[in-house]
Amino acid sequence: EAQVTQNPRYLITVTGKKLTVTCSQNMNHEYMSWYRQDPGLGLRQIYYSMNVEVTDKGDVPEGYKVSRKEKRNFPLILESPSPNQTSLYFCASSLMTGFAYEQYFGPGTRLTVT
Amino acid sequence: KQEVTQIPAALSVPEGENLVLNCSFTDSAIYNLQWFRQDPGKGLTSLLLIQSSQREQTSGRLNASLDKSSGRSTLYIAASQPGDSATYLCAVRLFGANSKLTFGKGITLSVRP
Repeated sequence: EAQVTQNPRYLITVTGKKLTVTCSQNMNHEYMSWYRQDPGLGLRQIYYSMNVEVTDKGDVPEGYKVSRKEKRNFPLILESPSPNQTSLYFCASSLMTGFAYEQYFGPGTRLTVT
Repeated sequence: KQEVTQIPAALSVPEGENLVLNCSFTDSAIYNLQWFRQDPGKGLTSLLLIQSSQREQTSGRLNASLDKSSGRSTLYIAASQPGDSATYLCAVRLFGANSKLTFGKGITLSVRP
C-alpha cells in the first residue's frame, strides 16, 4: 500500500531534550516536506527536500533541522525543543515529474513539549 | 504572497442537504489546488486535485471546481451525511521548485442526523 508513515504518533517531552520524528514513504517520491499545524494558524511548511541531499527552509524553519540521506526517509530533528514547538506535525511527499504532483500526507505526530 | 481563505470557519447543516464549501486565493498563478478532509486530531486525506488547466473534478458525491481568473474554488457535497462531518481544507501549489502547499484554515462541517 502506498503510504507515508511517521513515528512516533504521540510524543510528550521536556524542554531541551533532543528528539527526532521519522518520516518514510514507499512511493519513490523525490519531494518531501514537513508541516506543522496550529490552531488559528493552519498548516505551515517547516522544511522541504527536492531529492537526496537537497533540503531547504520553508516558512517556519527556526528550531528545526532535517536531513535527506535516503530517498524514502526525511527525519525532522528538534535539537532543543521548546514549548512553542508543541504542535501537530505532518510529513508529506509527492513526485516532481509528471502532471499531477498530488501530495500525500502522513498520519501526523502530536508533540507536546513541557 | 499567496493567501488562501475559507469562509465560514464552521458550518452546520441537516443531513441530506447539498452544500458548497468555498475557497479563495490571492495569486491566480497556481499549479494546482487540492481539497483535503481532516477528522479531529487525524491526518489529511486528499479528496480531489484540480490542475490549473482544469475546471472541475468529480469523485462520488464530491465535485470541485476551479476558476483561476477569479481566484476561487468550490467543493460541492451532494446529499450530505453525518459521516461527512470533518474539517475541509483547500490548498494551492504555485509554480516553482518548492512544491509547497499554502493552506486555508479550513471549514469545520457538522452534518446533523
